Amino acid sequence: GAVVSQHPSWVICKSGTSVKIECRSLDFQATTMFWYRQFPKQSLMLMATSNEGSKATYEQGVEKDKFLINHASLTLSTLTVTSAHPEDSSFYICSARMDDGSYGYTFGSGTRLTVV
Amino acid sequence: GQNIDQPTEMTATEGAIVQINCTYQTSGFNGLFWYQQHAGEAPTFLSYNVLDGLEEKGRFSSFLSRSKGYSYLLLKELQMKDSASYLCAWTVNTGFQKLVFGTGTRLLVSP
Repeated sequence: GAVVSQHPSWVICKSGTSVKIECRSLDFQATTMFWYRQFPKQSLMLMATSNEGSKATYEQGVEKDKFLINHASLTLSTLTVTSAHPEDSSFYICSARMDDGSYGYTFGSGTRLTVV
Repeated sequence: GQNIDQPTEMTATEGAIVQINCTYQTSGFNGLFWYQQHAGEAPTFLSYNVLDGLEEKGRFSSFLSRSKGYSYLLLKELQMKDSASYLCAWTVNTGFQKLVFGTGTRLLVSP
C-alpha cells in the first residue's frame, strides 16, 4: 500500500531555533500534501495544503512566515517551524492524497516536537 | 463557515455496542471519513461515506445523511483495544480536496 515516511519521529529543540520536518511518499506521487498539528487530547487541525511546484495554501490563523512549507518534488514536502517557541510544542503530522482517483489519504507517522 | 461536532468523550463496556455521532455544517461537502487514532500515532482509516446510507465493515459500520448533516460510527462487540479517539472528517469539494477533521471523540472501553 501507499506509504508516507515522516521524519523525524520526535525532536527536541531550543527556543529560537528552527526545525525541519520531512514527509516523503515512498511508492506513489503526491502532488498534494496536507500538514496538521495536534495538541494533547485534541483533534487534528489542518495547517496548510502543500502543492508541488507552487506556494502552499495556509488555513486561517496559521502564520505562513513561521511555518514554512516547501513541496519541491512530487514525493517530498517539508515543514519548517521557524524561531520555535514552547507553545509550538505539538504533534505534527502530514497526509498525502492519492492521485489515482481514489478517495484515499495516507498519513505519515507524525513528529513530536518539544521546544525547551 | 464550517463546523463539525462530536461528543468529547464516551465510555462503554467490553462486548457492548457504542454509537459515536458526528454533525456537520459545511459548504462544499464531498464525503465523510471516519478514522481511529491511538495517542501519538497516525489516524487509521475506518470508513468513507459519500452517499446516504449505512456502510458495514465487520464490527464497524458508518452511516451518513447528507440532508441532515449527520453521520455516526457504530462499533459492535467492543474490545479493550477499541479504546482510542475516533475522528470524523470531511473532504471539501475544492481543487485540493482537503481533509478537515472534527473535534474527535475519546472512547474508553472498560472490562
